Amino acid sequence: KAGVTQTPRYLIKTRGQQVTLSCSPISGHRSVSWYQQTPGQGLQFLFEYFSETQRNKGNFPGRFSGRQFSNSRSEMNVSTLELGDSALYLCASSEGTAGNTIYFGEGSWLTVV
Amino acid sequence: GQNIDQPTEMTATEGAIVQINCTYQTSGFNGLFWYQQHAGEAPTFLSYNVLDGLEEKGRFSSFLSRSKGYSYLLLKELQMKDSASYLCAVRDQAGTALIFGKGTTLSVSS
Repeated sequence: KAGVTQTPRYLIKTRGQQVTLSCSPISGHRSVSWYQQTPGQGLQFLFEYFSETQRNKGNFPGRFSGRQFSNSRSEMNVSTLELGDSALYLCASSEGTAGNTIYFGEGSWLTVV
Repeated sequence: GQNIDQPTEMTATEGAIVQINCTYQTSGFNGLFWYQQHAGEAPTFLSYNVLDGLEEKGRFSSFLSRSKGYSYLLLKELQMKDSASYLCAVRDQAGTALIFGKGTTLSVSS
């Protein structure tokens, strides 16, 4: 069974640009959530999708957005990039709200210069 | 508010046992997760507790007391490869988000 797949793994962007990150969850998993990890703040919740609906959103500005497709794949977008957006972006996959396992992908390393 | 506390750093010797504590104060609770994260890598799922008590899985065990807002991860027969960051996370009441502690960096020496 394939794990959670995230693309791209590494990317460098310039301030002001926008970026789109992709996540393919484990087959059969309908819940996809996104997290930002930085040395200073640790892992912080961005948003969660289930069956193409955003059910929860963390405390991030509107520049951060996402969506989920009918095949459960998800994308997140960050517009007007700032230096502080440099981070590891992690996607997590689970069966639903009561699942006893939540698996993370390898992450996308974003550097904003 | 949401608050999850873990010690920042711990050190131990190969072959020893170490216990990493986690205390939480959250507005809701729908399970507690422990993850291991090696530098530069993604978090790896270790354990899940939703009811009080001990869950054992090989060299790793996790304990939960919901009334005390307390959990611990117990690692036995430590190996050098166990040097990593260990993350405690509480799932919110709706089951849609994990709230993470800052993590405990464990260093295992020979």
